[in-house]
Amino acid sequence: AQSVSQHNHHVILSEAASLELGCNYSYGGTVNLFWYVQYPGQHLQLLLKYFSGDPLVKGIKGFEAEFIKSKFSFNLRKPSVQWSDTAEYFCAVNRDNAGNMLTFGGGTRLMVKP
Amino acid sequence: ETGVTQTPRHLVMGMTNKKSLKCEQHLGHNAMYWYKQSAKKPLELMFVYSLEERVENNSVPSRFSPECPNSSHLFLHLHTLQPEDSALYLCASSQDLRHEQFFGPGTRLTVL
Repeated sequence: AQSVSQHNHHVILSEAASLELGCNYSYGGTVNLFWYVQYPGQHLQLLLKYFSGDPLVKGIKGFEAEFIKSKFSFNLRKPSVQWSDTAEYFCAVNRDNAGNMLTFGGGTRLMVKP
Repeated sequence: ETGVTQTPRHLVMGMTNKKSLKCEQHLGHNAMYWYKQSAKKPLELMFVYSLEERVENNSVPSRFSPECPNSSHLFLHLHTLQPEDSALYLCASSQDLRHEQFFGPGTRLTVL
């Protein structure tokens, strides 16, 4: 069965630090990849997505992610975090030929200290 | 606000009760989803509907019964639940089965 792993469960950073959150998936075929964010007290919202093309994807709020097919990875990055980035981040994958059946990772809680 | 609303936002029920969760999307989408978000577990897909037909049922116990009367509404009927069913139940919708999903705020369910 397809699985998605986010190895960092909790991350604490100071403002202006750089961020990288890991995401690895187990499926070997064509996939679509997503990062969702859930700010405190708010609903899940899409941060960025990869379907095809340039493996470096730019999202909202200065986030980006790089799809490395050989490593089955889709890591999320931001060069300089802000206190307002405090949230839980979820990586999700669906197989290109399997409709829109998202498999989510366990999430990473990010706390940014002011 | 994503255009996906869920009611109620909080629900406490006993194991013998019957209740329903409601989801409504105002985005003109054709696909809708139910997810379960438990503490310390990844978000789990429960049901998927496309054009009001169920296309996925991820081995969910029969005490959870979905209903999609039209493309804008999705229900999750609950009966004889167990305490381990306590979780945040999220609804989502998408334009079709290929596009990104938009999530509602969830219903926090507690089963006593």
